[in-house]
Amino acid sequence: GDSVTQMEGPVTLSEEAFLTINCTYTATGYPSLFWYVQYPGEGLQLLLKATKADDKGSNKGFEATYRKETTSFHLEKGSVQVSDSAVYFCAPSYSGAGSYQLTFGKGTKLSVIP
Amino acid sequence: GAVVSQHPSRVICKSGTSVKIECRSLDFQATTMFWYRQFPKQSLMLMATSNEGSKATYEQGVEKDKFLINHASLTLSTLTVTSAHPEDSSFYICSASGLPRAAADTQYFGPGTRLTVL
Repeated sequence: GDSVTQMEGPVTLSEEAFLTINCTYTATGYPSLFWYVQYPGEGLQLLLKATKADDKGSNKGFEATYRKETTSFHLEKGSVQVSDSAVYFCAPSYSGAGSYQLTFGKGTKLSVIP
Repeated sequence: GAVVSQHPSRVICKSGTSVKIECRSLDFQATTMFWYRQFPKQSLMLMATSNEGSKATYEQGVEKDKFLINHASLTLSTLTVTSAHPEDSSFYICSASGLPRAAADTQYFGPGTRLTVL
């Protein structure tokens, strides 16, 4: 079935460090690709998305590029802040049964220390 | 835009009682709503998908008689946990999609409901 492999955490970085969280997915069809962020005790917030090959999604300094050849959608940020501490989920969206369903990775917990 | 609310945010109930959780799309019409369950430090598990006016489609292993889902309008879906037991304690999250066609693949999530069954 459809699956996604996400870099395991936890990841601890110092403020202003560079962040990369790896994500690869199974190449079934042409999914849209998403990164969601979950802050403690809250639901998920859409961080960014990309819908086709070579698209780059970006938001709040985070970026991810849809790489069809490597079936990857790695999340990057050049300079993290303490407020970026959260759990990040990579999720391809596959269509089926009349709707688009997300397949979530296990999540990567990021802790940014001052 | 694309705001989804859930109510209540937390609920504590006694074993054997039923609990209803509401999920509302506040500023768009949600043709499809999803219900997820999340255990501590784990990912989200899709429980069911519901389209407005239709019966929900449950994922394998999810008891449809225990987790009743109603999606009676384009802005409201409810999840009722019937005869709750301690093992039903979890974080329940809903999501909705239904913006213009170009964004039909995007789900917007509610803030979640923490259910504790004593």
